[in-house]
Amino acid sequence: KQEVTQIPAALSVPEGENLVLNCSFTDSAIYNLQWFRQDPGKGLTSLLLIQSSQREQTSGRLNASLDKSSGRSTLYIAASQPGDSATYLCAVKAMDTDKLIFGTGTRLQVFP
Amino acid sequence: DTAVSQTPKYLVTQMGNDKSIKCEQNLGHDTMYWYKQDSKKFLKIMFSYNNKELIINETVPNRFSPKSPDKAHLNLHINSLELGDSAVYFCASSQARYRNTEAFFGQGTRLTVV
Repeated sequence: KQEVTQIPAALSVPEGENLVLNCSFTDSAIYNLQWFRQDPGKGLTSLLLIQSSQREQTSGRLNASLDKSSGRSTLYIAASQPGDSATYLCAVKAMDTDKLIFGTGTRLQVFP
Repeated sequence: DTAVSQTPKYLVTQMGNDKSIKCEQNLGHDTMYWYKQDSKKFLKIMFSYNNKELIINETVPNRFSPKSPDKAHLNLHINSLELGDSAVYFCASSQARYRNTEAFFGQGTRLTVV
């Protein structure tokens, strides 16, 4: 059974810092891994999608890597800003069930 | 131009009532989903439809009945609402089943049962 874990659960940093959010999964049989952002009381915004055959994806200040064999992904946020404050969720799309299985999330606060 | 839209955004209702949440996607996707986010913010799949056919039905009480009138719509009807049904319900869509495709989510419907 696929399980997805995110570390840390919460993070509070001053703006300008470079951040690393971690996501681990137990079954490497995945189509892809997706990183989302959720603002309080809002929906999910897709940030990056990494296909199972890829090693990383970049979008602006965000860089996500994937090591499928070790069941790990990291989301790197460069030069963090207060506007980056949100909950970050990773999710894997499982091959056997076609479901998106979500991690527990990392709640990020960037203060000025 | 919203890709996945849900209505209503907020829903407050009494125990025992029946309510529906509507979802529409304008992305031309074949697959649509309902997810539930509990009070601890954990997201879990409830249902998945592909071309109007029910594909995934997790261990959800049969008071929850999804309906897909066409590929672009997936509605969720809930009978005899209970306090424990209070949660945020998210609709999502993706291009196809068993493919390396990106999922897009609606803004969520916050259901509060009193």
